[in-house]
Amino acid sequence: DTGVSQNPRHKITKRGQNVTFRCDPISEHNRLYWYRQTLGQGPEFLTYFQNEAQLEKSRLLSDRFSAERPKGSFSTLEIQRTEQGDSAMYLCASSPYSGSGHEQFFGPGTRLTVL
Amino acid sequence: SQQGEEDPQALSIQEGENATMNCSYKTSINNLQWYRQNSGRGLVHLILIRSNEREKHSGRLRVTLDTSKKSSSLLITASRAADTASYFCATATGFQKLVFGTGTRLLVSP
Repeated sequence: DTGVSQNPRHKITKRGQNVTFRCDPISEHNRLYWYRQTLGQGPEFLTYFQNEAQLEKSRLLSDRFSAERPKGSFSTLEIQRTEQGDSAMYLCASSPYSGSGHEQFFGPGTRLTVL
Repeated sequence: SQQGEEDPQALSIQEGENATMNCSYKTSINNLQWYRQNSGRGLVHLILIRSNEREKHSGRLRVTLDTSKKSSSLLITASRAADTASYFCATATGFQKLVFGTGTRLLVSP
């Protein structure tokens, strides 16, 4: 399967614990995005990479959140000291560079439950 | 924060009928995209319409864009039970981050 993959698919953790999610984009895509989706809502943008450079971060991304894409390939999203409000589906997407805009290809998501 | 809203929030129709969903947004855009999300599956891209286009077709899908009214519509013709899903519009600006609407839940009954 050459689509976007995310691991783990589900994560249950206790409040205060740290969690890390991984995203593997489509190999030739140099743009990578993280979104968060809560029940009944559309996805909300968190952050964006072009190659290894993190070019934009949402105000939703508090100091407890950090994202990396060290070699311009896979990306990780870490949440420190998780809170119950962090419970959501975390979606990763990738796209090729295109000045005129391009569709984004989404992974299946990681569902986080904070107890 | 959400860019805008889809209307209606929920739509229930019979197989074979057409379904129309509307999307309103707030700011200038480069393009507008529609995505489908089935329960248990990820978001799937349906169609992209650029800000200088007014109408676009793809199979049973027809999308219109009115930038003066900051609105778009998605028409699904001859609907099928497999079209049952949530449909989201998403606007792209700047580096192409997507700002999604609140979604329309479509139920197509056999």
